[in-house]
Amino acid sequence: GNSVTQMEGPVTLSEEAFLTINCTYTATGYPSLFWYVQYPGEGLQLLLKATKADDKGSNKGFEATYRKETTSFHLEKGSVQVSDSAVYFCALSSRQETSGSRLTFGEGTQLTVNP
Amino acid sequence: EAQVTQNPRYLITVTGKKLTVTCSQNMNHEYMSWYRQDPGLGLRQIYYSMNVEVTDKGDVPEGYKVSRKEKRNFPLILESPSPNQTSLYFCASTPLAGGFNTDTQYFGPGTRLTVL
Repeated sequence: GNSVTQMEGPVTLSEEAFLTINCTYTATGYPSLFWYVQYPGEGLQLLLKATKADDKGSNKGFEATYRKETTSFHLEKGSVQVSDSAVYFCALSSRQETSGSRLTFGEGTQLTVNP
Repeated sequence: EAQVTQNPRYLITVTGKKLTVTCSQNMNHEYMSWYRQDPGLGLRQIYYSMNVEVTDKGDVPEGYKVSRKEKRNFPLILESPSPNQTSLYFCASTPLAGGFNTDTQYFGPGTRLTVL
């Protein structure tokens, strides 16, 4: 079955530091890949996505590249801010024959950015 | 404003006392689903619905029921809650295109349930 593995957290950084959160996946076929973000007390929001190999998703200074050869979708940001403190989830979506797409989530990585 | 709403946001109950968590979306989305979030496990899908009167089990359906009588509403029912159902629950919706959902899911704010 499909699975997503994220680097263990929590991750604590100082403001303006470089961020990498690793994500690898196992899936059949050609899934779409996502990063969702969950701010304190809120639901998940889509941060970025990539639908095919070598696509780069980007939003709010975050980037991730769909690497089929390494089955990875690592999240990066060059300079984090305190407001980036949140839980980040990597996810994949694969088409099912009768049920449409289903999301499989990683465990989530808590990021704390200190001033 | 396009949104998914859930009620209640917080609930403390006792074992065996039936409860319902409501979910409503105003985006006319066909696909709706329920997830539970537990530490170290990410989000796991409980049930989903492709459209009115069409529901199916997700990965962890045991102990839950759902119904989809109207397109906008997708309540989650716990007939006899147990402590292992203590969790953070999220409802989500997404539009369909060509018979498949379009990948981007819109999440509600979550319901934190504690079963004593």
